[in-house]
Amino acid sequence: GENVGLHLPTLSVQEGDNSIINCAYSNSASDYFIWYKQESGKGPQFIIDIRSNMDKRQGQRVTVLLNKTVKHLSLQIAATQPGDSAVYFCAETIGNEKLTFGTGTRLTIIP
Amino acid sequence: GAVVSQHPSWVICKSGTSVKIECRSLDFQATTMFWYRQFPKQSLMLMATSNEGSKATYEQGVEKDKFLINHASLTLSTLTVTSAHPEDSSFYICSATGSATNEKLFFGSGTQLSVL
Repeated sequence: GENVGLHLPTLSVQEGDNSIINCAYSNSASDYFIWYKQESGKGPQFIIDIRSNMDKRQGQRVTVLLNKTVKHLSLQIAATQPGDSAVYFCAETIGNEKLTFGTGTRLTIIP
Repeated sequence: GAVVSQHPSWVICKSGTSVKIECRSLDFQATTMFWYRQFPKQSLMLMATSNEGSKATYEQGVEKDKFLINHASLTLSTLTVTSAHPEDSSFYICSATGSATNEKLFFGSGTQLSVL
């Protein structure tokens, strides 16, 4: 993969509000995208994924949107909780080969 | 989800010594394991890809003689940092995937290496 970047390095959200984390990717050939959550001192934790033949996928309190036209990926977290505070990474891959990670966004939930 | 265990969680060593980090898939067979390095407030950088029974494929700029990777079984891969120096201090993370995980990647908890 080529450059996978995030628009915002930090994001603060009031507890209970929804949060949106954005990611831009430049390799139009990427066909699989994943969002990971990483808490301090721990490994990344899988949140949700989406393939390029879809534009939206929902999980529990999370939704991933994929806009292939502008090469943009977003993660929406509904009704944020203190436990959502972490660094969130998007990652892309082509054909399930090695992942390329974005730079990460630190999400802070304000009580 | 699948469980990947990484050990140790943290290690402190003297400069010039070698350190071995283990990565185990506890409930699935990992045909492929990946090793990453992460500096503070930065993203994960892939170091190498390891397939069971074959030599690891290293990313450009990663010294294969310094970072020895062994993937001798379908549940265990090891990363040995040889002759460690302070600049090798970092957070090392492994991940594993296999047919049982539907090719999804699961990560270990990471190892914080501090070289004095």
